[in-house]
Amino acid sequence: DTGVSQDPRHKITKRGQNVTFRCDPISEHNRLYWYRQTLGQGPEFLTYFQNEAQLEKSRLLSDRFSAERPKGSFSTLEIQRTEQGDSAMYLCASSPTSGANTGELFFGEGSRLTVL
Amino acid sequence: QKEVEQNSGPLSVPEGAIASLNCTYSDRGSQSFFWYRQYSGKSPELIMFIYSNGDKEDGRFTAQLNKASQYVSLLIRDSQPSDSATYLCAPATGSEKLVFGKGTKLTVNP
Repeated sequence: DTGVSQDPRHKITKRGQNVTFRCDPISEHNRLYWYRQTLGQGPEFLTYFQNEAQLEKSRLLSDRFSAERPKGSFSTLEIQRTEQGDSAMYLCASSPTSGANTGELFFGEGSRLTVL
Repeated sequence: QKEVEQNSGPLSVPEGAIASLNCTYSDRGSQSFFWYRQYSGKSPELIMFIYSNGDKEDGRFTAQLNKASQYVSLLIRDSQPSDSATYLCAPATGSEKLVFGKGTKLTVNP
C-alpha cells in the first residue's frame, strides 16, 4: 500500500499527557498537511509543510501543538498537556507539487485521539 | 460569516433520484472549488473540482459554479445507496490550505 500512513490509529490518554502522531506521506509528494476533524464537522486546517519547511499554521492552533517534518519525508504532530477539547481525529494529507491548486489532497486514515 | 456554508442535512433521497448538494462561500477571491466525499469512518476523497462558471459533468456527478452568487453545487444523478456519505465543499483560498465546510450527509434509500 503506497498511500498516506498514520500511526497510531487510536490513542487514549489522560488529560495533561503529551501525545505524538506520525504521518508518512506518499513518497513523491512534497506537500504535507495536518487537519483535525471532530464529529459532525469538516476537517479543520492545522498546518502545512512544503518539503521540510512549515509554511502555514492556523491562527487557531494553540502553542501546545507543534509539528515537524525534519527531512521532508515523514511528519510528526505533538500535542503537549492534552485537554479534553483536543479529542478529535487528526488527519494527515499529502499532495504533489500542484498541491491545493488541484485540490487533490490524499488523506491518511487518521489518528483518533481520546483525552480522558 | 463562516467561510463555507453547507446544509448539514441529513439529506435523504430514494434510489434513482437526483441529489442536490449546495455550498456558499464568503471569499470572492476563490477561483477553484472542490467536492470531497467522506464515507462514515473513512477519510475524505476528492470527487470533483470546478474552476469556471457553469457546469462540469463527470459521469453521474455535475458540479455547478456561480461566482457572482458565490454558490457552488453538486448534483448526483441516478443516486445509488453507495453514494450515501458526507459531501464536503472546499473552496481554494489562495493559499495552500483548503477550507472545508461542515459537509452534507446524504442517505440514498434503496
